[in-house]
Amino acid sequence: QSVVTQPPSASGTPGQRVTISCSGSSSDIGSNYVWWYQQLPGTAPKLLIYRNNQRPSGVPDRFSGSKSGTSASLAISGLRSEDEADYYCAAWDDSLSGVVFGGGTKLTVL
Amino acid sequence: EVQLLESGGTLVQPGGSLGLSCAASGFTFSTYAMSWVRQAPGKGLEWVSTISGGGGSAFYADSVKGRFTISRDNSKNTLYLRMNGLRAEDTAIYYCANSLDSGTYLFDYWGQGALVTVSS
Repeated sequence: QSVVTQPPSASGTPGQRVTISCSGSSSDIGSNYVWWYQQLPGTAPKLLIYRNNQRPSGVPDRFSGSKSGTSASLAISGLRSEDEADYYCAAWDDSLSGVVFGGGTKLTVL
Repeated sequence: EVQLLESGGTLVQPGGSLGLSCAASGFTFSTYAMSWVRQAPGKGLEWVSTISGGGGSAFYADSVKGRFTISRDNSKNTLYLRMNGLRAEDTAIYYCANSLDSGTYLFDYWGQGALVTVSS
C-alpha cells in the first residue's frame, strides 16, 4: 500500500514564501512525475503544477514545484490571501498501477 | 474551452447500484485517458479509476475493484462509472477528470463533481 505524506497544515503571512512537502517512495514519486493541485473551499481541484515543475498557462509564477528522489515540494512566494486553500500532490504508482494522492495540506494565510 | 459535466449523483441505499456520467467537450475526447476521483465529506482526494483513450485499458483502486466499472463512449464524448454494491464509505463527491499529457494518467481538467450519498 502506497502512502504519500504531506503536512496537514501550513501557514504564512502575506508576502511570505511557504513550502509544502510531499514524501513518497521509489514506486511513486521516485519513478514518476509529480502533479500538484489547488482546491479552494467548495470548489473542484485545479491543476497547479505538472511534470514536477511545469506551470499550466494562467498559473502565476509565484507557484513553483521541484522534485528530488522520492520527495517533492511546492513553493508559493509572495503569499496572498487568495492562496488560502488545500493543496494536494499526486503521482502514478507503478506497484499499484494507479494514482496516489498525498493527504493534502491546508494553507492558512494569517 | 474544456468542459466536463458530471451527472447521476443521488441518494442510494447500501448495497444498491448507481451510474454516473461525465459529458466532455472542448478537446479530442477519444485521444486522452479519463478518470474518476472522489472526495468524501471533509476528507482528501482519492483516485477511483482510469480508462485509456481507446478504452482498452482500465485501472481501479483496490477499494472499488470488483464493484465499480469504468467505461467510455467515444462517439458520445461521454465517460461512465457503474457502481455496484455501494457502501456507506463510498459516500463522496465524484469528479471526472481528463489527462491531456499523453503518456501520463494524471489529471488536467476536472468537472464540478456529482454527490453520491449511500445511506438507508
